[in-house]
Amino acid sequence: DIVLTQSPDSLAVSLGERATFTCKASQSILYSVDNKNYLAWYLQKPGQPPALLIYRASSRQSGVPDRISASGSETHFTLTINNVQAEDVALYFCQQYYDTPYTFGQGTRLEIK
Amino acid sequence: QVHLQESGPGLVKPSETLSLTCTVSGGSIGGDYWSWIRQSPGKGLEWVGYFYYGGSVLYNPSLESRVTISKGRSENQLSLRLDSVTAADTAVYYCARSTNNYEHFHAWGQGILVTVSS
Repeated sequence: DIVLTQSPDSLAVSLGERATFTCKASQSILYSVDNKNYLAWYLQKPGQPPALLIYRASSRQSGVPDRISASGSETHFTLTINNVQAEDVALYFCQQYYDTPYTFGQGTRLEIK
Repeated sequence: QVHLQESGPGLVKPSETLSLTCTVSGGSIGGDYWSWIRQSPGKGLEWVGYFYYGGSVLYNPSLESRVTISKGRSENQLSLRLDSVTAADTAVYYCARSTNNYEHFHAWGQGILVTVSS
């Protein structure tokens, strides 16, 4: 199985600051046929299901604000939230769909200082 | 907009079978891949398996010997069956939709908490 390791486990930032999350894969999830990384990012608020933010490592899902961006390739990926707002408090997960079984990172919790 | 809703018993006894249904409304269930994913405090998010109405199914090898995902009783339903449950199967179970295999999950149900306890 492909293991995804997220860091840090939790992150506290002040309103208006930048939050950066990292996801590392145990093997490359770059598909050579289409040169796309098969990685998604989700956020999850308490009592709610995960909601898609980013797919193909860097493509923003419809409705996601442009202060949220993501990058990376092969085994190292980053999610960045600029100008953090109170509504961003959540658990953030990465997920690979390069190979089955699809797997998720353990999550990073974002809090406000 | 497609809406997914999980239903079923919230309490299952050890060694018995967990049975859940996912009802899809607002769209057709054909043509897409439908997964079950579970979330527990100890194991985080775990993909259980997917079902494709075109005729394929794939399970997580860690659960393959105990799990069955199939069409539900009604046209727009999906079912999950997990045999011989233990406390380790206690989790929130979600159904989720992707447009293809090897794709992200762009829609999720609200989830249902299933507790395994005597």
